[in-house]
Amino acid sequence: EDQVTQSPEALRLQEGESSSLNCSYTVSGLRGLFWYRQDPGKGPEFLFTLYSAGEEKEKERLKATLTKKESFLHITAPKPEDSATYLCAVSPGTASKLTFGTGTRLQVTL
Amino acid sequence: DVKVTQSSRYLVKRTGEKVFLECVQDMDHENMFWYRQDPGLGLRLIYFSYDVKMKEKGDIPEGYSVSREKKERFSLILESASTNQTSMYLCASSFGRDGYTFGSGTRLTVV
Repeated sequence: EDQVTQSPEALRLQEGESSSLNCSYTVSGLRGLFWYRQDPGKGPEFLFTLYSAGEEKEKERLKATLTKKESFLHITAPKPEDSATYLCAVSPGTASKLTFGTGTRLQVTL
Repeated sequence: DVKVTQSSRYLVKRTGEKVFLECVQDMDHENMFWYRQDPGLGLRLIYFSYDVKMKEKGDIPEGYSVSREKKERFSLILESASTNQTSMYLCASSFGRDGYTFGSGTRLTVV
């Protein structure tokens, strides 16, 4: 059974204080690993797809990396507008459906 | 950009009612999905579809059914709504190995 575990559950940072979110996974043949951002009361918004170990993707203050067992979402010098829940999901090798973690709730304060 | 539109943002229904949640996507995506999201449980897959008139059960299909008569439209049906179906419902579509595009969600309350 595919499993995704995200840590920490919640993270509070001061503006400018860099940190990383972790996503550990077990999956039968990884087809892709996905990161989403979700604001309260809204649907998740796509951030990145990673397909193979060693791959990295960047977007503004966010950088996602992938190993064979986990992925990290690095947040460099965060701003209050980065506050959201960040979701990680995996797609197994045989299907398009995604299995999600329960997310990391990030709060960035001034 | 692909857009996924869910017909209602908020819905309040009575126990025992038949409830229809509609989802439409405007790009020719083959795959469509229905999830529910609950605090502490994350997103759980209810049903999905890889093509018109095709459907497959997800992890929690009990009490739900779906319909996909046209490629762009995927409906979730609660045959007899119960209070434990109060939740945020999210529709998504995808193509190939690409990630999902989600709708904005429907917050359903069953009273």
